[in-house]
Amino acid sequence: ETGVTQSPTHLIKTRGQQVTLRCSSQSGHNTVSWYQQALGQGPQFIFQYYREEENGRGNFPPRFSGLQFPNYSSELNVNALELDDSALYLCASSDVSGGLWNEQFFGPGTRLTVL
Amino acid sequence: AQSVTQLGSHVSVSEGALVLLRCNYSSSVPPYLFWYVQYPNQGLQLLLKYTSAATLVKGINGFEAEFKKSETSFHLTKPSAHMSDAAEYFCAVSGRSGGYQKVTFGIGTKLQVIP
Repeated sequence: ETGVTQSPTHLIKTRGQQVTLRCSSQSGHNTVSWYQQALGQGPQFIFQYYREEENGRGNFPPRFSGLQFPNYSSELNVNALELDDSALYLCASSDVSGGLWNEQFFGPGTRLTVL
Repeated sequence: AQSVTQLGSHVSVSEGALVLLRCNYSSSVPPYLFWYVQYPNQGLQLLLKYTSAATLVKGINGFEAEFKKSETSFHLTKPSAHMSDAAEYFCAVSGRSGGYQKVTFGIGTKLQVIP
């Protein structure tokens, strides 16, 4: 069973640029969630995709967008990068068809630095 | 609205001493609760979860947590700390928000183990 993978591991961008982060879900999982974890903070929910549609969103502006593909892999896109976007971005996959008690499985994260 | 509060952003214990990390939750419905551990530069790994089957939950690496509804608490304990337990620990609550599974994390507690 393959776990959740994310790419790239690290990324450095400048203000105003755009970035795409990628996530490959664990086999058999139909839901992917993205989180932003700033230094010294807990993960903050960005959005969730279920069967290729966004079905939940946290308090993040529209310049944060995403996609989920038929194979349940996913992308997080951030436009017009700001310095405060510097953080660890975590992808988590789960199978919610089994119930809300099913845990999310996390990838190792992508460390984004905006200069 | 659901939330979790972790008391103590930093906890230090001596090797071999009891570990106690505190978590209080707020949820309008019976909660599903989780503890995750994060080692430096890594994603989150599930330690244990409460799904209403039993109030005392045993997890990996010798950790356990007790669900106390009257106190709205889900504290994490380990009888004897090991150096390898040094990491950051996150309490989380899962519930349904609209059409999706919403997982809310606490700010985390960094555990230091002193030799």
